[in-house]
Amino acid sequence: NAGVTQTPKFQVLKTGQSMTLQCAQDMNHEYMSWYRQDPGMGLRLIHYSVGAGITDQGEVPNGYNVSRSTTEDFPLRLLSAAPSQTSVYFCASSYSSGTGRQETQYFGPGTRLLVL
Amino acid sequence: AQSVSQHNHHVILSEAASLELGCNYSYGGTVNLFWYVQYPGQHLQLLLKYFSGDPLVKGIKGFEAEFIKSKFSFNLRKPSVQWSDTAEYFCAVRSSNTGKLIFGQGTTLQVKP
Repeated sequence: NAGVTQTPKFQVLKTGQSMTLQCAQDMNHEYMSWYRQDPGMGLRLIHYSVGAGITDQGEVPNGYNVSRSTTEDFPLRLLSAAPSQTSVYFCASSYSSGTGRQETQYFGPGTRLLVL
Repeated sequence: AQSVSQHNHHVILSEAASLELGCNYSYGGTVNLFWYVQYPGQHLQLLLKYFSGDPLVKGIKGFEAEFIKSKFSFNLRKPSVQWSDTAEYFCAVRSSNTGKLIFGQGTTLQVKP
């Protein structure tokens, strides 16, 4: 298994540009999520999905869109990038969001994004 | 709303010193608790987790944590730190109802040789 993969590893954007950060997992995990990591603020949840076709907002959803058309993929879209979105983005997945399942989240290697 | 607070933002210790990093959470329902570590230039790795049972959990590399439900706390401990423990440590809480995993702001640990 490749685990959780993210592309690209690095990206530089100009203000106003759009882009999609890709996330894929091959573990048949139901639950996937996106975080951004900023110094002194830890990891903040952007959006998450409990299964194909279902998404919901996290702590900091503004400026980001997601979709979950398949179990494997959970892309994160920036429609109009802003300097405040300069960050490191992590995708994560786990088997279940439900009660009683003792599942750990697996994290991807991250995408480092710079918005000029 | 679910939230996590880590009290120490930056900790500096000498090798062989004991470590305790505080973590408190706010959530009324059933939770799962985690500590993750991020070594310089690397992504997150799971140190230990608590789901149920014995509130004292042991993780990798000699780390342990104790869940005290009455205090909404899940503090991380290690009796004797090593230089290689220099890293950023994150406490995280997941609601067992929604599955949302929320992180604290992190604690940077610097161990001096």
